[in-house]
Amino acid sequence: DAKTTQPPSMDCAEGRAANLPCNHSTISGNEYVYWYRQIHSQGPQYIIHGLKNNETNEMASLIITEDRKSSTLILPHATLRDTAVYYCISYQTGANNLFFGTGTRLTVIP
Amino acid sequence: EAGVVQSPRYKIIEKKQPVAFWCNPISGHNTLYWYLQNLGQGPELLIRYENEEAVDDSQLPKDRFSAERLKGVDSTLKIQPAELGDSAVYLCASSSNPPIAGGNNEQFFGPGTRLTVL
Repeated sequence: DAKTTQPPSMDCAEGRAANLPCNHSTISGNEYVYWYRQIHSQGPQYIIHGLKNNETNEMASLIITEDRKSSTLILPHATLRDTAVYYCISYQTGANNLFFGTGTRLTVIP
Repeated sequence: EAGVVQSPRYKIIEKKQPVAFWCNPISGHNTLYWYLQNLGQGPELLIRYENEEAVDDSQLPKDRFSAERLKGVDSTLKIQPAELGDSAVYLCASSSNPPIAGGNNEQFFGPGTRLTVL
């Protein structure tokens, strides 16, 4: 699985969009990009995943660059409850396991 | 729908003592995972089950760790004897499908058991 690189921490004002970047420059053609988040004292929670196209669901949007070397998770209107560690994971199709890195600690500020 | 249930939530033991963690996955989920999470790090896989079969235990320290999933439903992870370095959060997760190409391999996590070894 390709290694992903994320900034260790970010702040975002409440009500503003939170844009969390992820670099996966060595991603291969059959690797998906998955995002999970982990709120304090809870287990990780799935957010979204994508391969090539941009994706949107009720939680977030995922923007993947055309060369697939990077992506951005967008929380359109961040709330205090979005404060968490966000993990970007490249997941090889047919592989067995998710490899979490150290993620980005997002703090939403009132 | 109930999520993944883990118990206990917290456990404090002295080194060299045994300890066990229990996990009940989401009903109908055939795939079960145990992860270890050290402070400030992401979860790391210890073992993965498909039904009652351990299909990936390559990261499980077999000298002191063991796991079982009798009847392919709930699972127990055991450490005997515990060492100071085993202090961590132990997470259980489940998914409805084994990892397949192109599928949504979303894993559902429990709240974890925080182990402190003194």
